[in-house]
Amino acid sequence: GAVVSQHPSRVICKSGTSVKIECRSLDFQATTMFWYRQFPKKSLMLMATSNEGSKATYEQGVEKDKFLINHASLTLSTLTVTSAHPEDSSFYICSARDFRNTDTQYFGPGTRLTVL
Amino acid sequence: GENVEQHPSTLSVQEGDSAVIKCTYSDSASNYFPWYKQELGKGPQLIIDIRSNVGEKKDQRIAVTLNKTAKHFSLHITETQPEDSAVYFCAAQTGGAGSYQLTFGKGTKLSVIP
Repeated sequence: GAVVSQHPSRVICKSGTSVKIECRSLDFQATTMFWYRQFPKKSLMLMATSNEGSKATYEQGVEKDKFLINHASLTLSTLTVTSAHPEDSSFYICSARDFRNTDTQYFGPGTRLTVL
Repeated sequence: GENVEQHPSTLSVQEGDSAVIKCTYSDSASNYFPWYKQELGKGPQLIIDIRSNVGEKKDQRIAVTLNKTAKHFSLHITETQPEDSAVYFCAAQTGGAGSYQLTFGKGTKLSVIP
């Protein structure tokens, strides 16, 4: 149990285009999902907290108009990187909190984004 | 806000030996401490966690200890195997009022030498 999937696992796009990443909790309902960014050999940096049916809360320094987050259902959250640039290239990871166990976060496998 | 320090940043052990990774946290209100294992190119995998009302927890070869007074917690891996090689992250969570954000340590790269 407690499986989180992400799609796609890898994406390469041209500068100026937008990319959407999906995060799904497969066998549990997630009232809260989190989006992280991870640079090579670095720790996870929280970008935003997403609650189902409400607007996401962004961390300081994260542009909400650039990183659009939608959490339309209890099992799906999406992150859209708009007008992507090479500096947006990174490993993006989502996590989901099981509403039955309010502490535990389960992570997805991550999405490698490369912007050319 | 919460600050989590993790040591060491790299750790090499011989297969069969034990490995210990230590973390300290700053916010005394933190009440949940998970440990994650991350293999190259993959997402973090929860391996063990501990809540603030417990001092120690064990799951087969993995154990975690928590000292609330000193605000530090440790991961212990016994009888290490090559497949234990990965990056390990500790984290601390200050829950309540809808805030369940994790603050991560910088990670420890564990190498188990056959």
